[in-house]
Amino acid sequence: GNSVTQMEGPVTLSEEAFLTINCTYTATGYPSLFWYVQYPGEGLQLLLKATKADDKGSNKGFEATYRKETTSFHLEKGSVQVSDSAVYFCALSDPRGTASKLTFGTGTRLQVTL
Amino acid sequence: GAGVSQTPSNKVTEKGKYVELRCDPISGHTALYWYRQSLGQGPEFLIYFQGTGAADDSGLPNDRFFAVRPEGSVSTLKIQRTERGDSAVYLCASSLQPQARSEQYFGPGTRLTVT
Repeated sequence: GNSVTQMEGPVTLSEEAFLTINCTYTATGYPSLFWYVQYPGEGLQLLLKATKADDKGSNKGFEATYRKETTSFHLEKGSVQVSDSAVYFCALSDPRGTASKLTFGTGTRLQVTL
Repeated sequence: GAGVSQTPSNKVTEKGKYVELRCDPISGHTALYWYRQSLGQGPEFLIYFQGTGAADDSGLPNDRFFAVRPEGSVSTLKIQRTERGDSAVYLCASSLQPQARSEQYFGPGTRLTVT
Protein backbone atom coordinates (compact mmCIF):
# COMPACT_ATOMS: atom_id res chain seq x y z
CA GLY A 1 0.00 0.00 0.00
CA ASN A 2 0.86 3.67 -0.06
CA SER A 3 2.95 5.17 2.73
CA VAL A 4 4.76 8.37 3.64
CA THR A 5 7.80 8.62 5.89
CA GLN A 6 8.86 11.92 7.44
CA MET A 7 11.84 12.83 9.55
CA GLU A 8 11.01 12.79 13.22
CA GLY A 9 10.82 16.02 15.13
CA PRO A 10 10.88 18.23 16.84
CA VAL A 11 13.13 20.37 14.72
CA THR A 12 14.40 23.42 16.56
CA LEU A 13 16.00 26.25 14.58
CA SER A 14 17.02 29.81 15.16
CA GLU A 15 15.30 32.50 13.13
CA GLU A 16 16.81 32.92 9.64
CA ALA A 17 18.25 29.40 9.63
CA PHE A 18 17.83 27.05 6.65
CA LEU A 19 15.14 24.41 6.95
CA THR A 20 14.91 20.96 5.45
CA ILE A 21 12.24 18.44 6.41
CA ASN A 22 12.73 15.11 4.68
CA CYS A 23 9.84 13.17 3.18
CA THR A 24 9.94 9.94 1.22
CA TYR A 25 7.02 7.95 -0.11
CA THR A 26 6.03 4.52 -1.33
CA ALA A 27 3.34 4.30 -3.97
CA THR A 28 2.52 2.44 -7.15
CA GLY A 29 2.27 4.73 -10.10
CA TYR A 30 2.47 8.49 -10.03
CA PRO A 31 0.91 10.07 -6.97
CA SER A 32 0.37 13.75 -6.35
CA LEU A 33 2.41 15.04 -3.41
CA PHE A 34 1.47 17.65 -0.83
CA TRP A 35 2.78 19.48 2.18
CA TYR A 36 0.18 20.52 4.73
CA VAL A 37 0.83 22.76 7.74
CA GLN A 38 -0.97 22.91 11.06
CA TYR A 39 -0.35 26.11 13.02
CA PRO A 40 -1.05 26.05 16.77
CA GLY A 41 -4.77 26.04 17.40
CA GLU A 42 -5.66 25.96 13.71
CA GLY A 43 -6.75 23.40 11.15
CA LEU A 44 -4.69 21.76 8.43
CA GLN A 45 -3.84 24.04 5.52
CA LEU A 46 -2.33 23.14 2.18
CA LEU A 47 1.14 24.67 1.94
CA LEU A 48 2.19 23.46 -1.51
CA LYS A 49 1.77 20.61 -3.95
CA ALA A 50 3.32 18.92 -6.97
CA THR A 51 1.46 16.64 -9.32
CA LYS A 52 4.17 15.14 -11.53
CA ALA A 53 7.85 14.27 -11.50
CA ASP A 54 10.28 17.20 -11.39
CA ASP A 55 7.50 19.65 -10.53
CA LYS A 56 8.43 22.17 -7.87
CA GLY A 57 5.73 23.39 -5.50
CA SER A 58 6.31 26.68 -3.72
CA ASN A 59 4.47 28.98 -1.34
CA LYS A 60 5.40 31.48 1.40
CA GLY A 61 9.11 30.91 0.77
CA PHE A 62 8.79 27.13 1.12
CA GLU A 63 9.71 24.82 -1.75
CA ALA A 64 9.60 21.10 -2.48
CA THR A 65 10.55 19.21 -5.63
CA TYR A 66 8.91 15.95 -6.71
CA ARG A 67 11.80 13.51 -7.18
CA LYS A 68 10.57 10.29 -8.69
CA GLU A 69 14.02 8.68 -8.85
CA THR A 70 14.47 8.99 -5.08
CA THR A 71 10.72 8.92 -4.24
CA SER A 72 11.19 12.06 -2.20
CA PHE A 73 9.49 15.42 -1.65
CA HIS A 74 11.68 17.27 0.84
CA LEU A 75 10.46 20.61 2.18
CA GLU A 76 12.93 23.51 2.26
CA LYS A 77 12.99 27.15 3.25
CA GLY A 78 15.98 29.41 3.05
CA SER A 79 15.28 31.56 6.10
CA VAL A 80 12.71 30.52 8.69
CA GLN A 81 10.75 32.89 10.90
CA VAL A 82 9.23 32.46 14.33
CA SER A 83 5.82 32.48 12.64
CA ASP A 84 6.74 29.28 10.76
CA SER A 85 6.55 27.31 14.00
CA ALA A 86 3.98 24.62 13.30
CA VAL A 87 3.56 20.93 12.50
CA TYR A 88 4.26 20.00 8.88
CA PHE A 89 2.70 16.96 7.22
CA CYS A 90 3.81 15.35 3.97
CA ALA A 91 1.02 13.56 2.10
CA LEU A 92 0.29 11.77 -1.14
CA SER A 93 -2.79 11.17 -3.20
CA ASP A 94 -3.05 8.09 -5.40
CA PRO A 95 -4.82 8.89 -8.66
CA ARG A 96 -5.51 5.27 -9.52
CA GLY A 97 -8.37 4.62 -7.15
CA THR A 98 -11.89 5.97 -7.09
CA ALA A 99 -11.11 8.31 -4.24
CA SER A 100 -8.32 10.83 -4.01
CA LYS A 101 -7.84 10.06 -0.35
CA LEU A 102 -4.70 11.43 1.24
CA THR A 103 -2.08 9.29 2.95
CA PHE A 104 -0.17 11.35 5.52
CA GLY A 105 3.13 11.08 7.27
CA THR A 106 3.28 11.36 11.03
CA GLY A 107 4.16 15.06 10.96
CA THR A 108 7.25 17.04 11.92
CA ARG A 109 7.05 19.74 14.54
CA LEU A 110 9.13 22.85 13.79
CA GLN A 111 10.03 25.27 16.55
CA VAL A 112 11.74 28.50 15.51
CA THR A 113 13.35 30.64 18.22
CA LEU A 114 14.69 34.19 18.21
CA GLY B 1 -16.21 32.67 1.87
CA ALA B 2 -17.01 30.19 4.61
CA GLY B 3 -14.69 27.26 5.07
CA VAL B 4 -15.43 23.74 6.25
CA SER B 5 -17.14 23.79 9.61
CA GLN B 6 -17.44 20.98 12.13
CA THR B 7 -19.58 20.63 15.21
CA PRO B 8 -19.14 20.15 18.04
CA SER B 9 -15.55 21.32 18.47
CA ASN B 10 -15.20 19.11 21.52
CA LYS B 11 -17.18 16.08 22.62
CA VAL B 12 -16.70 14.12 25.83
CA THR B 13 -18.68 10.92 26.13
CA GLU B 14 -18.73 7.82 28.27
CA LYS B 15 -17.60 4.46 27.00
CA GLY B 16 -20.47 2.64 25.33
CA LYS B 17 -22.40 5.76 24.33
CA TYR B 18 -23.40 6.81 20.81
CA VAL B 19 -22.04 10.02 19.23
CA GLU B 20 -22.66 12.00 16.08
CA LEU B 21 -20.15 14.39 14.55
CA ARG B 22 -21.26 16.89 11.92
CA CYS B 23 -19.41 18.34 8.95
CA ASP B 24 -20.59 21.23 6.79
CA PRO B 25 -18.42 21.41 3.65
CA ILE B 26 -17.67 24.38 1.46
CA SER B 27 -20.68 25.18 -0.68
CA GLY B 28 -20.46 23.53 -4.09
CA HIS B 29 -17.82 21.00 -3.12
CA THR B 30 -18.93 17.57 -4.32
CA ALA B 31 -16.27 15.49 -2.59
CA LEU B 32 -16.21 15.08 1.20
CA TYR B 33 -13.71 13.15 3.30
CA TRP B 34 -13.48 12.08 6.92
CA TYR B 35 -10.11 11.48 8.60
CA ARG B 36 -9.09 10.57 12.13
CA GLN B 37 -6.00 12.01 13.79
CA SER B 38 -4.66 10.37 16.91
CA LEU B 39 -2.25 12.20 19.18
CA GLY B 40 1.18 12.58 17.58
CA GLN B 41 0.06 11.00 14.30
CA GLY B 42 -0.94 12.18 10.88
CA PRO B 43 -4.56 12.04 9.80
CA GLU B 44 -5.82 8.64 8.66
CA PHE B 45 -8.49 8.25 5.99
CA LEU B 46 -11.87 6.94 7.07
CA ILE B 47 -14.43 7.48 4.30
CA TYR B 48 -15.02 9.48 1.13
CA PHE B 49 -18.31 10.71 -0.37
CA GLN B 50 -18.89 11.78 -3.93
CA GLY B 51 -22.26 13.46 -3.81
CA THR B 52 -24.62 11.46 -1.59
CA GLY B 53 -22.91 8.09 -1.91
CA ALA B 54 -19.99 6.67 0.00
CA ALA B 55 -17.51 5.95 -2.80
CA ASP B 56 -14.83 4.51 -0.53
CA ASP B 57 -15.34 3.46 3.09
CA SER B 58 -12.25 1.30 3.29
CA GLY B 59 -10.80 3.30 6.17
CA LEU B 60 -13.66 2.77 8.62
CA PRO B 61 -12.11 0.68 11.41
CA ASN B 62 -15.16 -1.49 12.14
CA ASP B 63 -18.94 -1.63 11.89
CA ARG B 64 -19.40 0.70 14.88
CA PHE B 65 -18.51 3.55 12.53
CA PHE B 66 -20.96 4.82 9.95
CA ALA B 67 -21.32 8.03 7.96
CA VAL B 68 -24.05 9.57 5.85
CA ARG B 69 -24.46 12.49 3.49
CA PRO B 70 -28.15 12.33 2.55
CA GLU B 71 -28.44 15.51 0.49
CA GLY B 72 -24.92 15.69 -0.86
CA SER B 73 -23.86 18.50 1.43
CA VAL B 74 -23.72 18.09 5.22
CA SER B 75 -22.29 14.82 6.48
CA THR B 76 -22.60 13.07 9.83
CA LEU B 77 -20.14 10.56 11.22
CA LYS B 78 -21.79 8.21 13.67
CA ILE B 79 -20.00 6.07 16.22
CA GLN B 80 -21.88 3.42 18.17
CA ARG B 81 -20.79 1.85 21.46
CA THR B 82 -17.82 4.17 21.78
CA GLU B 83 -14.55 2.82 23.14
CA ARG B 84 -11.63 4.65 24.75
CA GLY B 85 -9.56 3.88 21.66
CA ASP B 86 -11.93 6.01 19.59
CA SER B 87 -10.58 9.13 21.31
CA ALA B 88 -9.01 11.31 18.61
CA VAL B 89 -9.57 14.41 16.53
CA TYR B 90 -11.99 13.72 13.69
CA LEU B 91 -11.31 15.86 10.65
CA CYS B 92 -13.56 16.59 7.73
CA ALA B 93 -12.33 17.88 4.38
CA SER B 94 -13.99 18.81 1.12
CA SER B 95 -12.81 19.42 -2.41
CA LEU B 96 -14.39 20.88 -5.49
CA GLN B 97 -13.67 17.73 -7.46
CA PRO B 98 -12.58 14.27 -6.40
CA GLN B 99 -9.48 14.12 -8.57
CA ALA B 100 -6.16 13.43 -6.91
CA ARG B 101 -4.81 16.85 -7.83
CA SER B 102 -7.67 18.74 -6.21
CA GLU B 103 -6.92 20.55 -3.00
CA GLN B 104 -8.74 19.30 0.06
CA TYR B 105 -9.86 21.98 2.50
CA PHE B 106 -9.93 20.85 6.10
CA GLY B 107 -12.21 21.82 8.93
CA PRO B 108 -10.96 22.56 12.45
CA GLY B 109 -11.89 19.09 13.65
CA THR B 110 -13.93 17.61 16.47
CA ARG B 111 -11.93 16.42 19.44
CA LEU B 112 -13.65 13.29 20.79
CA THR B 113 -12.76 12.04 24.25
CA VAL B 114 -14.21 8.75 25.45
CA THR B 115 -13.96 8.30 29.21
